[in-house]
Amino acid sequence: DAGITQSPRYKITETGRQVTLMCHQTWSHSYMFWYRQDLGHGLRLIYYSAAADITDKGEVPDGYVVSRSKTENFPLTLESATRSQTSVYFCASSGPRSNYGYTFGSGTRLTVV
Amino acid sequence: KQEVTQIPAALSVPEGENLVLNCSFTDSAIYNLQWFRQDPGKGLTSLLLIQSSQREQTSGRLNASLDKSSGRSTLYIAASQPGDSATYLCAVRPRTGANSKLTFGKGITLSVRP
Repeated sequence: DAGITQSPRYKITETGRQVTLMCHQTWSHSYMFWYRQDLGHGLRLIYYSAAADITDKGEVPDGYVVSRSKTENFPLTLESATRSQTSVYFCASSGPRSNYGYTFGSGTRLTVV
Repeated sequence: KQEVTQIPAALSVPEGENLVLNCSFTDSAIYNLQWFRQDPGKGLTSLLLIQSSQREQTSGRLNASLDKSSGRSTLYIAASQPGDSATYLCAVRPRTGANSKLTFGKGITLSVRP
């Protein structure tokens, strides 16, 4: 089906482990984004990508790594998970022109214990 | 730096009431403004996208307006229903700087009482 999908939907991991959250979109949108959403902080941008092989830091990039070897995929890796990274993570995409809107995935709820 | 404000943070209204949700932003140099709805435990669903050249957009019982000069947008919900209960977020896409990145407000949590 067309759209933007995130996996897994829920994830529990231990402190210090590496974990990767997946994001896949079928529209060939140029832009892709990773946000985290926490009570009291709203949505905060972690990383974004303007095209394959082009990524840049957002507001809260520390502890996260991204890659974008293909236009449709934008995985987010927590290199060594910490409890402060417990959050809901949203992936989003947008077309190439600035008059495009954003479309969000359903989110991944990550708990670090 | 663009800032987006949504006040109040929460709102409770009886069913059937027409209501207005407000969004203000500090920098009028924007490409567009987007309203989203978020249900508890769910992702963000786009409701309306208003380009900077437009004054309003309508979808069903929803109408969003944009006044760039004053840095304001409103989301009008006609004849509210309990199913409208959710958090509503607005976001602006800037013309300057990294113009791919939206700036979000923190949202208004709406409760419509039967």
